[in-house]
Amino acid sequence: AQSVTQLDSQVPVFEEAPVELRCNYSSSVSVYLFWYVQYPNQGLQLLLKYLSGSTLVKGINGFEAEFNKSQTSFHLRKPSVHISDTAEYFCAVRESIQGAQKLVFGQGTRLTINP
Amino acid sequence: DADVTQTPRNRITKTGKRIMLECSQTKGHDRMYWYRQDPGLGLRLIYYSFDVKDINKGEISDGYSVSRQAQAKFSLSLESAIPNQTALYFCATSDYGTGANVLTFGAGSRLTVL
Repeated sequence: AQSVTQLDSQVPVFEEAPVELRCNYSSSVSVYLFWYVQYPNQGLQLLLKYLSGSTLVKGINGFEAEFNKSQTSFHLRKPSVHISDTAEYFCAVRESIQGAQKLVFGQGTRLTINP
Repeated sequence: DADVTQTPRNRITKTGKRIMLECSQTKGHDRMYWYRQDPGLGLRLIYYSFDVKDINKGEISDGYSVSRQAQAKFSLSLESAIPNQTALYFCATSDYGTGANVLTFGAGSRLTVL
């Protein structure tokens, strides 16, 4: 079974500083990887996804992530964060078992932006 | 109106009570899922359904049951609620044809079992 590890449960940063949220996944022949964001009191929404092709993936709100197959990582980055980026971020990997495809989520990283 | 609607949004109940959480969608998606979110554990899959006649257990199905009443409706039941089922529950949908497992989530149902 696939697994996802988000290495930091909480990340505090100052506004306009860069941020990196780390995600590692268990290796597989091929992977589909996702980052979702959950703003306070809301459901999750897709931030970006890697299916194939370029290893640098750009998403909404200025976020990007880099797929690194040798390190089995898919870290999320933003060069300059806003207060509005305060949220919980989830990394996920698609798992296929007997033809059934599901998403497996990491534990989440709470990003707090301080003024 | 939201694409994926969950009711109720908040519920407080007592141990041993039967609870139903309902989910309806207007996306026209064929796949529907129920996840549970607990602090520090992320989201864990309870049940999923790839069409009306298809129901599958996820990683934490014990103590839960589901019903896919129509393509647009997928309900989650707790037959006899217990305190460790206190959590935030999310319904999600996806479209096999176009989505590559991109999920659309509801806003969540917060359940407290006393």
